[in-house]
Amino acid sequence: KAGVTQTPRYLIKTRGQQVTLSCSPISGHRSVSWYQQTPGQGLQFLFEYFSETQRNKGNFPGRFSGRQFSNSRSEMNVSTLELGDSALYLCASSLVGQGYGYTFGSGTRLTVV
Amino acid sequence: AQTVTQSQPEMSVQEAETVTLSCTYDTSESDYYLFWYKQPPSRQMILVIRQEAYKQQNATENRFSVNFQKAAKSFSLKISDSQLGDAAMYFCAYRSDLSMDSNYQLIWGAGTKLIIKP
Repeated sequence: KAGVTQTPRYLIKTRGQQVTLSCSPISGHRSVSWYQQTPGQGLQFLFEYFSETQRNKGNFPGRFSGRQFSNSRSEMNVSTLELGDSALYLCASSLVGQGYGYTFGSGTRLTVV
Repeated sequence: AQTVTQSQPEMSVQEAETVTLSCTYDTSESDYYLFWYKQPPSRQMILVIRQEAYKQQNATENRFSVNFQKAAKSFSLKISDSQLGDAAMYFCAYRSDLSMDSNYQLIWGAGTKLIIKP
């Protein structure tokens, strides 16, 4: 059974540019969440999607956005990149229902220069 | 708001020995879920064990077990017979009951780096 696939694995962008990260969940998982991981702030929740609808959003500026497609694949977009956006971005998928943990991908390492 | 605290930035243990990682949390909710995740250098977050708050019995997964103290809001992870492959960052995480739309997120501790000495 394929796991959660995130692409690309590494990305280097320049300040002011925008970036799109992709996440393909485990087959049958309809919930997809995104997290930002940095040494200073740790793991922070970005947003969660289910059936193409954003159900919850973390405390991030509007430059951070996402969407989910009908096949449950999800993308997140960061516009007008800042140096502080450099981080590991983790995607997780989950079955819907109580008690299920999340299965994570290997993340996308974004470096903003 | 819920918070999760891991007070041990780093722990080390001799191979084959037992180690306990600490986690405390703060919440006013009665129903919730607690998780321990492992993040090796490969970066992928791997679920180690989970606990439902309504269950009094401590969860166990092979060499991994938890000591869940609901009244004390404590959720420690015990790793028995430590192996070199257990070396990683370990994160404790909290999730509210899924009955509320605002609860579809994990709240994380800062992590504990576990070093296994051969």
